[in-house]
Amino acid sequence: AQSVSQHNHHVILSEAASLELGCNYSYGGTVNLFWYVQYPGQHLQLLLKYFSGDPLVKGIKGFEAEFIKSKFSFNLRKPSVQWSDTAEYFCAVNWAGSYQLTFGKGTKLSVIP
Amino acid sequence: DAGVIQSPRHEVTEMGQEVTLRCKPISGHDYLFWYRQTMMRGLELLIYFNNNVPIDDSGMPEDRFSAKMPNASFSTLKIQPSEPRDSAVYFCASSLGRVGYTFGSGTRLTVV
Repeated sequence: AQSVSQHNHHVILSEAASLELGCNYSYGGTVNLFWYVQYPGQHLQLLLKYFSGDPLVKGIKGFEAEFIKSKFSFNLRKPSVQWSDTAEYFCAVNWAGSYQLTFGKGTKLSVIP
Repeated sequence: DAGVIQSPRHEVTEMGQEVTLRCKPISGHDYLFWYRQTMMRGLELLIYFNNNVPIDDSGMPEDRFSAKMPNASFSTLKIQPSEPRDSAVYFCASSLGRVGYTFGSGTRLTVV
C-alpha cells in the first residue's frame, strides 16, 4: 500500500530558529504533493502544493518545500519560525490515477517565545 | 465562497444512538471526501464521491457507518449505532479533480 512518512513526531524550536520537517512517500508513479497546517482546534489549511515544474515551491506564511524525486521526499522549510507557527503539520500525497489524499501522521511543532 | 461547510461543529451522544454528520462542498467541486482524525490513527480516508457517486468506501470501518451524497451540494455520514471508539474529529473535503482539496472545519464527535 502507498504510504507517507513524516519522520518527526514533535519538534520544539525557539523563535527565529530554522525549520525543516521531513516527508517521504512510497513509489507509485507521478505524484501531487501537499503540506497542510492545523492550528490547535482548527481545520486543515493548505500551506503549499506541488504538481509539476520548479521543484522548489513557495507557500503561504513564508513556508517553502522542495521536491526531490530521487529521494521520494518533499520536505517543508522555513528560515525563521515564529510563535504563531505552533501547529501540527501534515504532508499529503496524491498518486496518479487516484483522487484521494493520503496523509502522513503529522508533526507537531512547538515554538518557544 | 463560503468554503466547505460542516455541521454540527460538536456532537455529544450516548452509545447506541444514531449520529448524522453533514457536509456542503464548494460549489463546482466534483469530488467529496470524508476523513476521520484520531490521535492514534491520524487522518484516515473513510469514503469519497465523484459527481455524487461513491467511488471508494474501503476506509469505512464497518457496517455501522454509511455515507450518502444525494446531490452535488450535500453529503451525510451516518453512524448507527454509535460506539465510544467512534469518538473523533470527522472532516469533509471537496476538490475539483486532483487539485484544490479544501477541508471543512470538522465535526468533533464524542460518544459517551
